[in-house]
Amino acid sequence: DVKVTQSSRYLVKRTGEKVFLECVQDMDHENMFWYRQDPGLGLRLIYFSYDVKMKEKGDIPEGYSVSREKKERFSLILESASTNQTSMYLCASSYGRGVVDTQYFGPGTRLTVL
Amino acid sequence: RKEVEQDPGPFNVPEGATVAFNCTYSNSASQSFFWYRQDCRKEPKLLMSVYSSGNEDGRFTAQLNRASQYISLLIRDSKLSDSATYLCVVNLGSARQLTFGSGTQLTVLP
Repeated sequence: DVKVTQSSRYLVKRTGEKVFLECVQDMDHENMFWYRQDPGLGLRLIYFSYDVKMKEKGDIPEGYSVSREKKERFSLILESASTNQTSMYLCASSYGRGVVDTQYFGPGTRLTVL
Repeated sequence: RKEVEQDPGPFNVPEGATVAFNCTYSNSASQSFFWYRQDCRKEPKLLMSVYSSGNEDGRFTAQLNRASQYISLLIRDSKLSDSATYLCVVNLGSARQLTFGSGTQLTVLP
């Protein structure tokens, strides 16, 4: 069974704080993704990575950065959290290069920025 | 126009009913199609892939109409446990990326 884990289920931070969200997958997947999900807007892609140390911007990268130092781990960083970044953050992974494949999701982190 | 568009619902149906959801997508070059299910406050999970010839998995049937650029999901003999949000998911031509619809909410009533 594919397992994707995220470091926290719930997180409360203050405006201006630096926030780290971590995601780990145990299936040796090549591809990893970070989404945010907001009511009425669905899932929106923030960043993704096809390989270690590789990253590409998704649809809404502003205010975020990512890090992929190891294949199994993909971190999302909010350099200076703002209230409009209050959201559910979902990490996903999928199998291989050059393949549009099923994505497996972690349980999500519900982030509140005060 | 949204790239992947779904009727948000809610659909409220009695147990045992048949219910169908449609989803339209914008890119005629799309090659991969999926339906995901998301329970309240949980992560999305793959329900089924959608193949060109249509496919069935128990009470669930998925169909693809490339000419009209839509996919459908039919649920027969609805169960209370089918209550969830159903997400239409499409690869819009860019390798390895998927675009998610906003979801259709289904509630099956006793």
